[in-house]
Amino acid sequence: DVKVTQSSRYLVKRTGEKVFLECVQDMDHENMFWYRQDPGLGLRLIYFSYDVKMKEKGDIPEGYSVSREKKERFSLILESASTNQTSMYLCASSLVGRETQYFGPGTRLLVL
Amino acid sequence: QKEVEQDPGPLSVPEGAIVSLNCTYSNSAFQYFMWYRQYSRKGPELLMYTYSSGNKEDGRFTAQVDKSSKYISLFIRDSQPSDSATYLCATPTDSWGKLQFGAGTQVVVTP
Repeated sequence: DVKVTQSSRYLVKRTGEKVFLECVQDMDHENMFWYRQDPGLGLRLIYFSYDVKMKEKGDIPEGYSVSREKKERFSLILESASTNQTSMYLCASSLVGRETQYFGPGTRLLVL
Repeated sequence: QKEVEQDPGPLSVPEGAIVSLNCTYSNSAFQYFMWYRQYSRKGPELLMYTYSSGNKEDGRFTAQVDKSSKYISLFIRDSQPSDSATYLCATPTDSWGKLQFGAGTQVVVTP
């Protein structure tokens, strides 16, 4: 079974804090993705990585950065958290060129 | 305009009813369509996929694509309370595997 894990299920942070969200997959997938999910807006792609140290901006990269130092791990960084970054964050992985993405359970982030 | 549009609902049906979910898409080049199911406080998981036009059936679930009207549908027969979830349509937008998702429709099946 493909397993995608995320470091936290719930996080509460203060405005201006630097926030790290970590994602690990155990299926040797090349592709990894970070989405945020908001009511009525669905899943929006923040960043995408197709290989170690490679990254590509998604639809809403502003205010975020990512790091992929190892194939199995993809980190999302909020450099200075703001209240409008309160959201559900979902990580996913897939094989390159394959459409099926496998998702982690999500991290619900509240920025106060 | 978003590339994939989906009514967010919620859609409430009694147990045993047929659930009908729909999405529209704007790019006629899209060839492959997927439905993901997301239970509360969980990540989405792939439910069904279908190529181009036509139907695909898997147990109580049927996925349909109508390319002429750029319309995709998911039908759930004999719905159960365990089908209560958010259903998201999706389509690949490049050869790397990036997906464009609809907003998701929340379905509630009441006993």
